Amino acid sequence: EIVLTQSPRTLSLSPGERATLSCRASQSVDSGYLAWYQQKPGQAPKFLIYAASTRTTGIPDRFSGSGSGTDFTLTISRLEPEDFAVYYCQQYVNSALTFGGGTKVEI
Amino acid sequence: EVQLVESGGGLVQPGESLRLSCEVSGIRFRQFWMHWVRQAPGQGLVWVSGIKNDGSSTTYADSVKGRFTISRDNARSTLYLQMNSLRVEDTAVYYCGLWGGGALDHWGQGALVTVSS
Repeated sequence: EIVLTQSPRTLSLSPGERATLSCRASQSVDSGYLAWYQQKPGQAPKFLIYAASTRTTGIPDRFSGSGSGTDFTLTISRLEPEDFAVYYCQQYVNSALTFGGGTKVEI
Repeated sequence: EVQLVESGGGLVQPGESLRLSCEVSGIRFRQFWMHWVRQAPGQGLVWVSGIKNDGSSTTYADSVKGRFTISRDNARSTLYLQMNSLRVEDTAVYYCGLWGGGALDHWGQGALVTVSS
């Protein structure tokens, strides 16, 4: 089973700053199946990025994803107030999903 | 607009059963794999189970294998999760998700399942 480890657990930043979130896999992951989600309190997760670096429709370009193999990164170039949330990475293999533990981006 | 609406959550005692439903609209349900993901209070997301678009293949997390059964009715555009022998540690919000090929593109609002004596 592939384990995804996200770091840091909490990121304390201010609006306008850059956020860099890491997702490390215990073994190599197919980049085509690495996704990122955003979750705000009391809400369902929201799909942001698939295939490691492709934003889905409607996601602003301040969100970007990168990486391959075992190391992946979600970058938010300039934090807006609505970006403060928990972010999860997720991978898919053999018809099963695995999520990372999440990174909380807080003010 | 794609919508996923869960129902069937509630409070049950350990050892009891519950069935969740997820009705999907605004998309050709029969074309997509579907998954269930749960989130215990204050915790992260955990995948539970998945089912192929035609129902011919299913997958489960080890923690629910043998107790939970995923199924679907493509004529009704509805996904199900039958949960038997429920344990306190199954307490969580359960989300259904539509797999678009690279990620869970769309999510339901969640159904709270509480297992407590």
